[in-house]
Amino acid sequence: LAKTTQPISMDSYEGQEVNITCSHNNIATNDYITWYQQFPSQGPRFIIQGYKTKVTNEVASLFIPADRKSSTLSLPRVSLSDTAVYYCLVVAGGGNKLTFGTGTQLKVEL
Amino acid sequence: NAGVTQTPKFQVLKTGQSMTLQCAQDMNHEYMSWYRQDPGMGLRLIHYSVGAGITDQGEVPNGYNVSRSTTEDFPLRLLSAAPSQTSVYFCASSLAGGSYEQFFGPGTRLTVL
Repeated sequence: LAKTTQPISMDSYEGQEVNITCSHNNIATNDYITWYQQFPSQGPRFIIQGYKTKVTNEVASLFIPADRKSSTLSLPRVSLSDTAVYYCLVVAGGGNKLTFGTGTQLKVEL
Repeated sequence: NAGVTQTPKFQVLKTGQSMTLQCAQDMNHEYMSWYRQDPGMGLRLIHYSVGAGITDQGEVPNGYNVSRSTTEDFPLRLLSAAPSQTSVYFCASSLAGGSYEQFFGPGTRLTVL
């Protein structure tokens, strides 16, 4: 599976939009991009997944350029409760195994 | 639905002891898996199962056994606990066949002295 690279940490303020970029240069044709969120002392929680272009749900948007070598998770108008670790994962199409990196620690302040 | 439940929440073992971490889900999910998370690290896959009676190894299977006799339950057995197995253990489940939304349990914090 393609290895992912994302920033170790990011800081933001309440009400701002946060964009976390992930690179996955060796992504395969059948792979999907998936993002998870993890709060301290809890298991990860699925946020969003996509294959190409743009996907939006009630909590986030995922932008994937045509070459699919990177993706950007966009969190609109963050609040203190969005402080968490965000993991970018590449998942083989038709598969279920998840390979986690170290993620991005997002800290949101007042 | 309770989702994915894990017991116990906390456990302290002495080196060489054995124990079983319990995991159950009530969503009729075919796929279940066990991960461990060490401090400051991402999760690493220990074992997984694509259905009752079928299990396979993940990235770090040594020192752990699993079985899947029912769809609902997927226990993880530590055969002879070692300090290197001190970690937080998460169980997860999902629909099989490429459902990327996996549901994680609350975790079991294990300390091996």
